[in-house]
Amino acid sequence: NAGVTQTPKFRVLKTGQSMTLLCAQDMNHEYMYWYRQDPGMGLRLIHYSVGEGTTAKGEVPDGYNVSRLKKQNFLLGLESAAPSQTSVYFCASSQGGTEETQYFGPGTRLLVL
Amino acid sequence: SQKIEQNSEALNIQEGKTATLTCNYTNYSPAYLQWYRQDPGRGPVFLLLIRENEKEKRKERLKVTFDTTLKQSLFHITASQPADSATYLCALDRSTDKLIFGTGTRLQVFP
Repeated sequence: NAGVTQTPKFRVLKTGQSMTLLCAQDMNHEYMYWYRQDPGMGLRLIHYSVGEGTTAKGEVPDGYNVSRLKKQNFLLGLESAAPSQTSVYFCASSQGGTEETQYFGPGTRLLVL
Repeated sequence: SQKIEQNSEALNIQEGKTATLTCNYTNYSPAYLQWYRQDPGRGPVFLLLIRENEKEKRKERLKVTFDTTLKQSLFHITASQPADSATYLCALDRSTDKLIFGTGTRLQVFP
């Protein structure tokens, strides 16, 4: 099993450009999450999904959109990138419910110039 | 608002010693707390979960305590090794389906 994979690993964008980050998991997990990690800020939840076709806002959702058309995939979109979105993005998945641990992908490093 | 505090300063210890990391939280009463390990350039990896009614949990050289009165968890690594060098994150359940993470403490074990 590959676990949680993320594409791409690294990307440079210019301000105003758009892009989509792809997360895939092969563990048949119900829940999927997108976080961003910045120095001194820790992991902050952007959006999450509790099942195929569902999405919900997290702590810092502004400037991002998500879709969960298939259970195994969770896409994070930036419609008009801003320098403040320079960060490392992590996707995670879990079976869901109480006490469920999260499995993280390797991360995507995004630089917005 | 809910807040989790981990020592932002790196913890440097000598191989063989016990490393102790602290996680303090405020404005919340979590049902459980989790600890993750994160290596540079990688995603966090789950280590241990402890419930609010558990005082202590062990796994090999790892030990976690949970004091709901002090609103604090301690994470211990006994007989530490250079391979234990990493950043350690604590996380509390924000609700049934979400976690809130601390900023992490970097541990450096030197020979």
